[in-house]
Amino acid sequence: DTAVSQTPKYLVTQMGNDKSIKCEQNLGHDTMYWYKQDSKKFLKIMFSYNNKELIINETVPNRFSPKSPDKAHLNLHINSLELGDSAVYFCASSPGGDHEQYFGPGTRLTVT
Amino acid sequence: GDSVTQMEGPVTLSEEAFLTINCTYTATGYPSLFWYVQYPGEGLQLLLKATKADDKGSNKGFEATYRKETTSFHLEKGSVQVSDSAVYFCALRSARQLTFGSGTQLTVLP
Repeated sequence: DTAVSQTPKYLVTQMGNDKSIKCEQNLGHDTMYWYKQDSKKFLKIMFSYNNKELIINETVPNRFSPKSPDKAHLNLHINSLELGDSAVYFCASSPGGDHEQYFGPGTRLTVT
Repeated sequence: GDSVTQMEGPVTLSEEAFLTINCTYTATGYPSLFWYVQYPGEGLQLLLKATKADDKGSNKGFEATYRKETTSFHLEKGSVQVSDSAVYFCALRSARQLTFGSGTQLTVLP
């Protein structure tokens, strides 16, 4: 009965590979987000979708592409992985407005 | 643009000590303000929030008051426990997104 789930929890891969991280929420929320947390714990929003429509697209490399097949899912695909992509990626969802965001447990990506 | 500034950590306290983590913000208008907590190995959880000036958010013994005049939202707890050890993030909501501070690592020693 996890509210926001992410898979995988850990991902170790080599430079140049392509990988995906999946996110699902069972809260019925309209809005979903992807955040990147670096090694110093700094959190930065990457993307936001509302009802499958992209509404926030911060300055991230084109190698990152979000995909929302339906309102409950927001996946993150990363092409040509680089060392600097190593971080923890968090998915979140929200009903919108001033409501809180609910975060997933995170995916720790390590690029070697 | 909008920004949030938190006191830098790490902060180390003994159990039952008083906690203050400072947070100030820069924003146009009157954003909603939040404190999130991240326990080791987990995602962020909402700790408390305030949506307008002079509102006080509170939860689990933590409190923060939305001060428009000083653009601040300092987090306080009268008596911390070992289980409060975590990273604390101040955040503001504007333009449909959250802007986070840099996080403050709190360690409480028994």
